[in-house]
Amino acid sequence: GNSVTQMEGPVTLSEEAFLTINCTYTATGYPSLFWYVQYPGEGLQLLLKATKADDKGSNKGFEATYRKETTSFHLEKGSVQVSDSAVYFCALSIGGATNKLIFGTGTLLAVQP
Amino acid sequence: GAVVSQHPSRVICKSGTSVKIECRSLDFQATTMFWYRQFPKQSLMLMATSNEGSKATYEQGVEKDKFLINHASLTLSTLTVTSAHPEDSSFYICSARQQGTMNTEAFFGQGTRLTVV
Repeated sequence: GNSVTQMEGPVTLSEEAFLTINCTYTATGYPSLFWYVQYPGEGLQLLLKATKADDKGSNKGFEATYRKETTSFHLEKGSVQVSDSAVYFCALSIGGATNKLIFGTGTLLAVQP
Repeated sequence: GAVVSQHPSRVICKSGTSVKIECRSLDFQATTMFWYRQFPKQSLMLMATSNEGSKATYEQGVEKDKFLINHASLTLSTLTVTSAHPEDSSFYICSARQQGTMNTEAFFGQGTRLTVV
């Protein structure tokens, strides 16, 4: 079946530290891959996405590259800020007009000043 | 990006009563809406897929008679938790996809925190 596995949190970093949140997936087809962010008290927001192998999604300094050979989509940021503190969800969807998103368990990131 | 509004953001109800949650796409027409449930420290679990004008498709293990979904228009879907019990307490989130596109992006509401006492 289709599934997403991401590293457990919480991840605690100091401001300006380098961030990596690992995400691997299992899929029967050719999925699109996403990272969503959930700030405290808010719903999910799309952070970035990649729709095919070797694509790199990027937004707000975050990046993730779709690696088919390792079935991974790790999230990285070179220098985190306190405002990046949130829960990050890796997700996939398989093509079709009614794409369903399959989420990982989420990783809480806490950035300290 | 497109805006999806979910209401209420927080609700407390007594055990045995029913609660309705609304999900509206404010600036686009949504052919398909999805309802998710999120338990503490866990991921979002898809409950059902709602298509405008037709019956919702429920995921395995989700009771369709307990979680009633109505998608009467292209901008509104509702989830009604019937005869709620404390174990139904959770965070419910809807998402919507824009009509007429194959775009894989879904836009999420702010979520509803349901507490059944």
